[in-house]
Amino acid sequence: SQQGEEDPQALSIQEGENATMNCSYKTSINNLQWYRQNSGRGLVHLILIRSNEREKHSGRLRVTLDTSKKSSSLLITASRAADTASYFCATDGKGGSEKLVFGKGTKLTVNP
Amino acid sequence: GAVVSQHPSWVICKSGTSVKIECRSLDFQATTMFWYRQFPKQSLMLMATSNEGSKATYEQGVEKDKFLINHASLTLSTLTVTSAHPEDSSFYICSARDLQGAQPQHFGDGTRLSIL
Repeated sequence: SQQGEEDPQALSIQEGENATMNCSYKTSINNLQWYRQNSGRGLVHLILIRSNEREKHSGRLRVTLDTSKKSSSLLITASRAADTASYFCATDGKGGSEKLVFGKGTKLTVNP
Repeated sequence: GAVVSQHPSWVICKSGTSVKIECRSLDFQATTMFWYRQFPKQSLMLMATSNEGSKATYEQGVEKDKFLINHASLTLSTLTVTSAHPEDSSFYICSARDLQGAQPQHFGDGTRLSIL
């Protein structure tokens, strides 16, 4: 069954604003990843956060993980029109499962 | 960085045709590749896990005789949609992991399949 659930489903902001997307999951995980997908294209890996980490940064991206709440957030600061895309969280499972389970995604639109 | 190439990127064919999609890891060896299906405005759903030199593992509800997977080498997996029908029209994406099984998975650019 699908594990990750993102909210909001869609987000529209102005260039320069920050965008926050949330992801919740149901079972224990080894790590959680965020991916970006431009329309009609494949997925681009953004950032991976391990279950023993609470926060991670990469450029304008900031990811948090709260395993007690089984949730994660992705913050994009100082957004640009080029950030317009769908963003998905994906989790793998403990016990050696290498299968990724994707959330439903957040469609982000950054207006110039 | 690791690159996964998927071919073709777009295919239109008549109902009843079988369509083969290739997924290649260009600069690394992958013992495991994954095939996903994505309907418009929806998320990715794992169809099957492709293991080099052995049979693929299909997810529940995915017909193995409909979606044939072959992973004959450490750099190539193929998905064949047999006797495709309009309901098989979708976006198919593959991903691959390197020999060490290190995350993250690297994704191809996807194949848009349209069955008329």
